Parts: sequence; structure tokens; C-alpha cells
Amino acid sequence: QVQLQESGPGLVKPSETLSLTCAVSGGSISSGSYYWTWIRQPAGKGLEWIGRIYTSGSTNYNPSLKSRVTISVDTSKNQFSLNLSSVTAADTAVYYCARGLVNGDLGYWGQGTLVTVSS
Amino acid sequence: EIVLTQSPDFQSVTPKEKVTITCRASQSIGSSLHWYQQKPDQSPKLLIKYASQSFSGVPSRFSGSGSGTDFTLTINSLEAEDAATYYCHQSSSLPRTFGQGTKLEIK
Repeated sequence: QVQLQESGPGLVKPSETLSLTCAVSGGSISSGSYYWTWIRQPAGKGLEWIGRIYTSGSTNYNPSLKSRVTISVDTSKNQFSLNLSSVTAADTAVYYCARGLVNGDLGYWGQGTLVTVSS
Repeated sequence: EIVLTQSPDFQSVTPKEKVTITCRASQSIGSSLHWYQQKPDQSPKLLIKYASQSFSGVPSRFSGSGSGTDFTLTINSLEAEDAATYYCHQSSSLPRTFGQGTKLEIK
């Protein structure tokens, strides 16, 4: 069964870049028709879709974040990454990675990692 | 962007009760609607995919229905472990969006 695990700094300073990695185990990130996705959730609030990447490198981003987001994939390490630039306190949230079907559900999620933006 | 509106926002229910949560889409999304359960300090877990298909390992008391713009998640014979927040999610168009969530409290 596929498992996903987020990692990265828990504290980022305002105006800097948030960088997270999602390690995939239990299967190759290159196999199957899946999109590898990032979602975030501010404390006590709902879920926000950030964007996704296919193993070909094709990406889709939420227009609300598009100017600041980059998602990349490293098939040799079986992982994908999120970079969010020029962060502010509003970017403080739990960040989840997930595996999604091309036009479907998000069947598998990581446990999430809290990122706080503060000086 | 497609807006998903869930109702109610909060519901307090007793064990063995039947619960219905609705999700309304701002435009037709066919059957591209999925339901997730999120317990405190846990990641969301897929319950129902494509409006009515149960995900592997999900108890049979959870079921979904609907198409187009109106969808329902039903929990038959509620159990204490079902206390959670439930979210709907559409995969019909980009960007993907989620409902605001429905929090279930068990009395």
C-alpha cells in the first residue's frame, strides 16, 4: 500500500520560501496514472488545494497561489516537492501531500506537517 | 472555480442515529464528487468516491448519492468513532475545491 510522508522546516520567516518534500513509499511515483498533490489547512479551517504534478512534469496550480508556487518531482528519489515563495503569516498551515487520480479522488494522504511563518 | 457548499456546518447527534450531510456544487459536476472524513489531528481519509462508490475498507454504514449539483453523504447507525469533520471535494474542473466541512459531534 502506498504511503506518503511530508518533511521540511517547521518554521519559515516572512518573505522567505517554504520548501517541503513528500516521500512516496510502497510503489513507484512513476507508475500508474496519478497526480501528486499538495493541500493545506490553516488551524481550525478547511482544506485548500494548492496544486499537483504528473510524473511527466505537467503541473496545475491554484490560481490564488500560482504566482508563488512551484511543484516538482524527482523520480530517482521517488519524491515530489513544494516551494512557496514570499510567505506571510497567512501561509501558516498544516501541509499535506496526497496521491490523486487524474480526474478523481485523493485516495492516499500523508500525515501532514505544520509550517509556521514567523520571524 | 466551482464552489461546494455543505450543510449543516455542525451537527450534534446520538449514537445509532442516521445522519445526512449535503454538498451542493455551484455548477454541474456529474459524479466527480468525493467525501472525506477527518478526525482531530489526523489527515483526511477517503470514504466515498465518484458520489456513491465506497473506498476500500470503509464501513458499510457510510454511503453516498447524487449527481449534477446535489450530493448526500449518509451515515446509518452512527457510532461514537464517527465523530469527525466531513468534507466533500470535486474533481470535475481545476482548481480542485473542497466544501467548508461539516463537524459531527456525538452526544
